Amino acid sequence: QQQVKQSPQSLIVQKGGISIINCAYENTAFDYFPWYQQFPGKGPALLIAIRPDVSEKKEGRFTISFNKSAKQFSLHIMDSQPGDSATYFCAASTTGNTPLVFGKGTRLSVIA
Amino acid sequence: KAGVTQTPRYLIKTRGQQVTLSCSPISGHRSVSWYQQTPGQGLQFLFEYFSETQRNKGNFPGRFSGRQFSNSRSEMNVSTLELGDSALYLCASSPFGGAGANVLTFGAGSRLTVL
Repeated sequence: QQQVKQSPQSLIVQKGGISIINCAYENTAFDYFPWYQQFPGKGPALLIAIRPDVSEKKEGRFTISFNKSAKQFSLHIMDSQPGDSATYFCAASTTGNTPLVFGKGTRLSVIA
Repeated sequence: KAGVTQTPRYLIKTRGQQVTLSCSPISGHRSVSWYQQTPGQGLQFLFEYFSETQRNKGNFPGRFSGRQFSNSRSEMNVSTLELGDSALYLCASSPFGGAGANVLTFGAGSRLTVL
């Protein structure tokens, strides 16, 4: 049973456009929602994270939108650049001794 | 500050063999988690160690095992390798136990190919 469902699997966006990746979760006990970015040949790196007490968090061009009632959260990349081309993973966990559960990833390609 | 170091980076084994992968966490980090990454399944949690104790275990067969040493370095072992074990094995460290509530810093991974 997949606890975090991520879509789309792949995404192609024009340079300067907005990239949007969506995730849905099932476990209402989840209270920590990070996004990781992975470049080829590298391990995933934390990009931005949110807790359910806020509906939005912004860091530079990256924004997480969180909808607790719908059990969904999304990553928006504004003014997408070719350097943003990578695989993005959403994840979720509960506070305490539980592991992060990851979505299956979205391969983003930003083309000029 | 050195990151998470995983060795070897690449290895090729044949079915039935066993393999040991090593992970050196960031200095001062006491929690080490292992994930298996495959194209079809994404990142799947294997286990987490904190202060030499396994705190969490994912849904993998007993062929997958791990341990952590007193210096927080960790190893994972896969015995009786199967073709389906071909994957990128990622190690991540965090300062405290309960890795889910903390920032995980991943290594670059060990790419295992089973022939």
